[in-house]
Amino acid sequence: GQNIDQPTEMTATEGAIVQINCTYQTSGFNGLFWYQQHAGEAPTFLSYNVLDGLEEKGRFSSFLSRSKGYSYLLLKELQMKDSASYLCAVVYSGAGSYQLTFGKGTKLSVIP
Amino acid sequence: EAQVTQNPRYLITVTGKKLTVTCSQNMNHEYMSWYRQDPGLGLRQIYYSMNVEVTDKGDVPEGYKVSRKEKRNFPLILESPSPNQTSLYFCASSWAGPDTQYFGPGTRLTVL
Repeated sequence: GQNIDQPTEMTATEGAIVQINCTYQTSGFNGLFWYQQHAGEAPTFLSYNVLDGLEEKGRFSSFLSRSKGYSYLLLKELQMKDSASYLCAVVYSGAGSYQLTFGKGTKLSVIP
Repeated sequence: EAQVTQNPRYLITVTGKKLTVTCSQNMNHEYMSWYRQDPGLGLRQIYYSMNVEVTDKGDVPEGYKVSRKEKRNFPLILESPSPNQTSLYFCASSWAGPDTQYFGPGTRLTVL
């Protein structure tokens, strides 16, 4: 599988802004997802980027630079319920097949 | 209600006793996938299926089998489970490969 790197843990204060970075190998790249996963639960979809630039969706935004193999998830106006793991996942394609490779996740703790 | 279901949700078994974890989706999705999630390793893809009768290996297929005889079902088979297969397993589905994946609730498997 391809290596996807993201920080293991981050801590931020309620009401603040936090940026979670993700770097990946660019060969075969065909899109990048961000998922949120609360402890003991299934991952849920946050965003999908396939073209360069910023995608904004409410308090959450996601950025992609394909040439640099880099993405970030930006969370604004942090709330306690945002405490969760955030998973970066890259679609790698080739010969008509698609494989989704996840990073190990970034555990975000939001403190009062 | 659109959903992905998995059964059983929890299973404790012994080494070598064949087991099957079922996965079913009611969204007419073409793409289905199995992942395992382990502390410090993140989500890793076991097998995926682009459509009926089409399956491919993910990053960690050893010790697992799958089948896709009909679009809605994608069972995961462990012919001879071993303790290193103790993990949290997720099934997921999407319309096509590079698309938003919907995850099932997870199956926590313990092999003694």
